Amino acid sequence: DGGITQSPKYLFRKEGQNVTLSCEQNLNHDAMYWYRQDPGQGLRLIYYSQIVNDFQKGDIAEGYSVSREKKESFPLTVTSAQKNPTAFYLCATSTGIETQYFGPGTRLLVL
Amino acid sequence: DQQVKQNSPSLSVQEGRISILNCDYTNSMFDYFLWYKKYPAEGPTFLISISSIKDKNEDGRFTVFLNKSAKHLSLHIVPSQPGDSAVYFCAASDPAGNNRKLIWGLGTSLAVNP
Repeated sequence: DGGITQSPKYLFRKEGQNVTLSCEQNLNHDAMYWYRQDPGQGLRLIYYSQIVNDFQKGDIAEGYSVSREKKESFPLTVTSAQKNPTAFYLCATSTGIETQYFGPGTRLLVL
Repeated sequence: DQQVKQNSPSLSVQEGRISILNCDYTNSMFDYFLWYKKYPAEGPTFLISISSIKDKNEDGRFTVFLNKSAKHLSLHIVPSQPGDSAVYFCAASDPAGNNRKLIWGLGTSLAVNP
């Protein structure tokens, strides 16, 4: 069953804590992306990776970090430096051309 | 500075009628455009796309029109159904540099009333 998996569906973060959001895909897509969506807002690009072991900052990378050690996985860490982490986080993949395909999302809430 | 603009935050139509969602862009170098549909608390779903070398692309009830001279595209849904109620995002593919990115509009919330 091909697709994009994001876990967990809901995640709670305490003040000063780092949390990691998982994104796994079995579509054999080269490119992966992390977006953030806030209420009433569009999608803002956090980080993206076109190939394994390479990634670039998007428009709002501050307070976030990523790794791309495997083609199938692109985890996003929300660090304590991100002062407003509450949002809906979306992972996407593509063949690197145009169309991006999205996972179901993770909602991050701060306790 | 929004390069992709969806100027109508919301739209309401009657079931069976046509829904027209609009999108404007500022960068004439954008060469591929996409429409996505999004339900609350879910990831966006790809709907339809169009290359800048075309002016129309149709897929079932969905048609996208592109007017390059006006830097304008629109998504037509005919006939509209209650299940079409969702937020629709317009996105443009930026070919600049070696890494293609999608530039997103802020979305239009469509409500189809029975």
